[in-house]
Amino acid sequence: QQPVQSPQAVILREGEDAVINCSSSKALYSVHWYRQKHGEAPVFLMILLKGGEQKGHDKISASFNEKKQQSSLYLTASQLSYSGTYFCGTGPGSNYKLTFGKGTLLTVNP
Amino acid sequence: DVKVTQSSRYLVKRTGEKVFLECVQDMDHENMFWYRQDPGLGLRLIYFSYDVKMKEKGDIPEGYSVSREKKERFSLILESASTNQTSMYLCASSLIAGGNQNIQYFGAGTRLSVL
Repeated sequence: QQPVQSPQAVILREGEDAVINCSSSKALYSVHWYRQKHGEAPVFLMILLKGGEQKGHDKISASFNEKKQQSSLYLTASQLSYSGTYFCGTGPGSNYKLTFGKGTLLTVNP
Repeated sequence: DVKVTQSSRYLVKRTGEKVFLECVQDMDHENMFWYRQDPGLGLRLIYFSYDVKMKEKGDIPEGYSVSREKKERFSLILESASTNQTSMYLCASSLIAGGNQNIQYFGAGTRLSVL
């Protein structure tokens, strides 16, 4: 079953913040976040493993709450280059297969 | 640099044709995946392979088959193409384990139109 992402779409002005959520009905071992720009391949952003850790990469960070079976991606002081569709991929355990959500379209305007 | 290459960027086929989509990776990855991407539906897994000649069905395998004769190459086959298989197809690969925790690397995609 696909994880549920929210919101489906968000429009920001440059410099604003955004949060994208990813929830699963199944117990999670890992959560992956990817970004896909229009016409390009999805690109890996970060991975979080069970343990409730938070990771950061430049002004993009993420948290993973295994009890709630959800992850959140935080984009701070957004830049035009952040525009794209963000996907979370969830893994149930040692199985390397990921199940992706439907994506969140993020548009950053000047 | 990591590279996953899909043989065609755009493909137009007729209903009933047998279609081959090819994917090659140069990273010596054990795992390879085929996804289908449709607007509003995200990435849906069709098939994946965790070793040469090994394969497992994903979430939407109906109407598709795969072949993996060599580690670096994973083919998706549409035995008899239908219009509802018009879509963007993405290939990906990953290592089984290790420090990178199964990060998937994607190809640029093949946009298939079945007329």
